Amino acid sequence: NAGVTQTPKFQVLKTGQSMTLQCAQDMNHNSMYWYRQDPGMGLRLIYYSASEGTTDKGEVPNGYNVSRLNKREFSLRLESAAPSQTSVYFCASSREGMGGYTFGSGTRLTVV
Amino acid sequence: GDSVTQMEGPVTLSEEAFLTINCTYTATGYPSLFWYVQYPGEGLQLLLKATKADDKGSNKGFEATYRKETTSFHLEKGSVQVSDSAVYFCAIVNTNAGKSTFGDGTTLTVKP
Repeated sequence: NAGVTQTPKFQVLKTGQSMTLQCAQDMNHNSMYWYRQDPGMGLRLIYYSASEGTTDKGEVPNGYNVSRLNKREFSLRLESAAPSQTSVYFCASSREGMGGYTFGSGTRLTVV
Repeated sequence: GDSVTQMEGPVTLSEEAFLTINCTYTATGYPSLFWYVQYPGEGLQLLLKATKADDKGSNKGFEATYRKETTSFHLEKGSVQVSDSAVYFCAIVNTNAGKSTFGDGTTLTVKP
């Protein structure tokens, strides 16, 4: 089915470990986004990519890096995981900034 | 910066009751407005949208009207069902920034 695919769905990390969250979309969308969702805090933008080859910081970028590998793929990397990064991470894409987003099903990350 | 304020939840209704979830926003420029729905364990799904003043977005019995004079986009449904139980997010996309700002979400529970 067309849409946004995130991997993995679940992950447990130890403090200090690194990992990359993968995201791919097959809708030929230009813009892609990474959000984190925490109880009582809604969705917060980590990084976004308005088009292939560009990335920009969002509201909470510290501790994360991103790569827009090509038009389809946008990965999020945690270099040294911390318990404060325990969250549900969502990738989203849109054809253009003003359109609605298509979200992936999320990655549930726990850092112990 | 841009912000979205949603009616605090949780909201509990009986089946066939009328639903209103309030949403107001502050933004520079002329944003597009959205409602998303999130079912347990899933990502957000676009429910409806409106791109200019007095536009009415509608989908699956839900409606919301873009009210520029009151900077509001309240979600309504005339008769809710148990299957409507979910978290509802109001969001705006600013013409200048091209990024979404989300409200904190409102949890709706519909009882038989």
